[in-house]
Amino acid sequence: AQSVTQLDSQVPVFEEAPVELRCNYSSSVSVYLFWYVQYPNQGLQLLLKYLSGSTLVKGINGFEAEFNKSQTSFHLRKPSVHISDTAEYFCAVSDPETSGTYKYIFGTGTRLKVLA
Amino acid sequence: DTGVSQNPRHKITKRGQNVTFRCDPISEHNRLYWYRQTLGQGPEFLTYFQNEAQLEKSRLLSDRFSAERPKGSFSTLEIQRTEQGDSAMYLCASGSTASSYNEQFFGPGTRLTVL
Repeated sequence: AQSVTQLDSQVPVFEEAPVELRCNYSSSVSVYLFWYVQYPNQGLQLLLKYLSGSTLVKGINGFEAEFNKSQTSFHLRKPSVHISDTAEYFCAVSDPETSGTYKYIFGTGTRLKVLA
Repeated sequence: DTGVSQNPRHKITKRGQNVTFRCDPISEHNRLYWYRQTLGQGPEFLTYFQNEAQLEKSRLLSDRFSAERPKGSFSTLEIQRTEQGDSAMYLCASGSTASSYNEQFFGPGTRLTVL
């Protein structure tokens, strides 16, 4: 069964510094990969998505992610963070072609805290 | 397009009571999903519909839980005889079979507290 691992439960970083949030998924022939952001007491907002093509995906709010098939990773990066980026970030995987289902499997999330 | 909406946003109930949540998806979306998110965890899949057909249910969905999407538009999730362990955020998402990415758009959630 598909699984998603977000090794870092919390990541503190100073404002204007770069950040990388890690995501690894279990192997599959083809997967859809997503990063979502969740602000307190709100739903999830889609940051970016990957299915195929260029391994570097650009999303909203200056975020980007790099797909690495050999390492089964999809790490999220931002070159310079702002206080407003403080939130919970979730990596999600969907593999309908293998599993026959369209549900997402989420990681446990990484809490990004941007310090002034 | 106002996005996915969920009502109520918050629900406090006593153990043993029944509760019902409503989700209104984005109007042109034919897929609708329910997830449950407990504190400090990622969302966990509960069930999903394509049009009015319920195509998959998670083992997390005990016999106290039932979901409907009677006309392929809005959906309801009912929990009977609530337990304290049901306290969580219940998230609804919608998507379209026309999307090649299978992307899902989430509502703001309903936070359930069972006393």
